[in-house]
Amino acid sequence: QKEVEQNSGPLSVPEGAIASLNCTYSDRVSQSFFWYRQYSGKSPELIMSIYSNGDKEDGRFTAQLNKASQYVSLLIRDSQPSDSATYLCAVKGYGGSQGNLIFGKGTKLSVKP
Amino acid sequence: NAGVMQNPRHLVRRRGQEARLRCSPMKGHSHVYWYRQLPEEGLKFMVYLQKENIIDESGMPKERFSAEFPKEGPSILRIQQVVRGDSAAYFCASSRQGQGRYEQYFGPGTRLTVT
Repeated sequence: QKEVEQNSGPLSVPEGAIASLNCTYSDRVSQSFFWYRQYSGKSPELIMSIYSNGDKEDGRFTAQLNKASQYVSLLIRDSQPSDSATYLCAVKGYGGSQGNLIFGKGTKLSVKP
Repeated sequence: NAGVMQNPRHLVRRRGQEARLRCSPMKGHSHVYWYRQLPEEGLKFMVYLQKENIIDESGMPKERFSAEFPKEGPSILRIQQVVRGDSAAYFCASSRQGQGRYEQYFGPGTRLTVT
């Protein structure tokens, strides 16, 4: 059974701080990794995708991937109250009909003004 | 609106009725995925379709649920004889291609309530 694990939180950080969100996955052959943000009552919104080991930066967001450790993380710099949401880690399989995403249960982030 | 479209946004059905959820993919996308999110639960994959083809339905319950993506028109997720446990948010996502490095974009979802 392929699994994606996240700390459910809530993770509380003060405004302006760095928020660090972590995710581990069980399927070693996974190739594609995504972070989504979901506000309460809304649909998931794609923030970042990462496919290679290392860091990928986009504005205030940095995704980090370590395939050897089966670990993905998302850093949010200069956190804002508007970043308060649930962050979903998603992993896509490889080969066959592996088009679907496997999601973690999400980490709830709260940014305090 | 070039995004993924879903309707209705809210659907109320009595137990035993049928629910039909519709999804139009983003322009230029030909791959559609349906996910379900139960209250306080994570997103779970249900089915993956291309036009006139079901690619993967491994996440779909064996009974009462079906999906299609006809040559013309939106993808339809159909739930027959709904039960209270079907109450959830149903999200559709689309991508340009299926396998590999293709990102999935989600629609606003349909909130199904079974009374």
